[in-house]
Amino acid sequence: AQSVTQLDSQVPVFEEAPVELRCNYSSSVSVYLFWYVQYPNQGLQLLLKYLSGSTLVKGINGFEAEFNKSQTSFHLRKPSVHISDTAEYFCAVFLRAAGNKLTFGGGTRVLVKP
Amino acid sequence: GAVVSQHPSRVICKSGTSVKIECRSLDFQATTMFWYRQFPKKSLMLMATSNEGSKATYEQGVEKDKFLINHASLTLSTLTVTSAHPEDSSFYICSARELSPDSPLHFGNGTRLTVT
Repeated sequence: AQSVTQLDSQVPVFEEAPVELRCNYSSSVSVYLFWYVQYPNQGLQLLLKYLSGSTLVKGINGFEAEFNKSQTSFHLRKPSVHISDTAEYFCAVFLRAAGNKLTFGGGTRVLVKP
Repeated sequence: GAVVSQHPSRVICKSGTSVKIECRSLDFQATTMFWYRQFPKKSLMLMATSNEGSKATYEQGVEKDKFLINHASLTLSTLTVTSAHPEDSSFYICSARELSPDSPLHFGNGTRLTVT
């Protein structure tokens, strides 16, 4: 079975400061990895994805994530956050052998302070 | 990019009534759509996988007679909450994937259901 752990439920950060959101997964086989962002009362928007190839993935809104197979991690980073980055962020794992289902982590709420 | 439209965005209904939520893929075909439920300040819980032209696959603990899913075409899936109760109040989100297996899920904007 696969699982996704987001270690921080909430991350307060000052505007223009860097932020890192941690995500670890457990799976014995290759997976696809995703980060989604959810603004209040809205659905999810894809930030970036890792399918294969380069372990450093760049996404929208200045976000990037690095896949680390040995540590089974896929941490999300942004060097300088804006107030508009205040949202809920979800890490997700897709495993084809698991019925093509996407398994989500518990989410990390980022609160950007002025 | 691919767009998934979910309707309605908000609905309030009385206990005992049924509510239908629609999920449409606007510019792509989706043989599979997924329905999630999200509790306040919680992550998304997969309820069921909707398969075009066949029965939906429900996750453990989800009542299939309570949450009816119909996927009649490659662009439309519906979720009907039957005999709604206040505990069914939640945020429901649908998602769809383009036919390529490597495509990411595209999500609708969700439906806030309040049962009074």
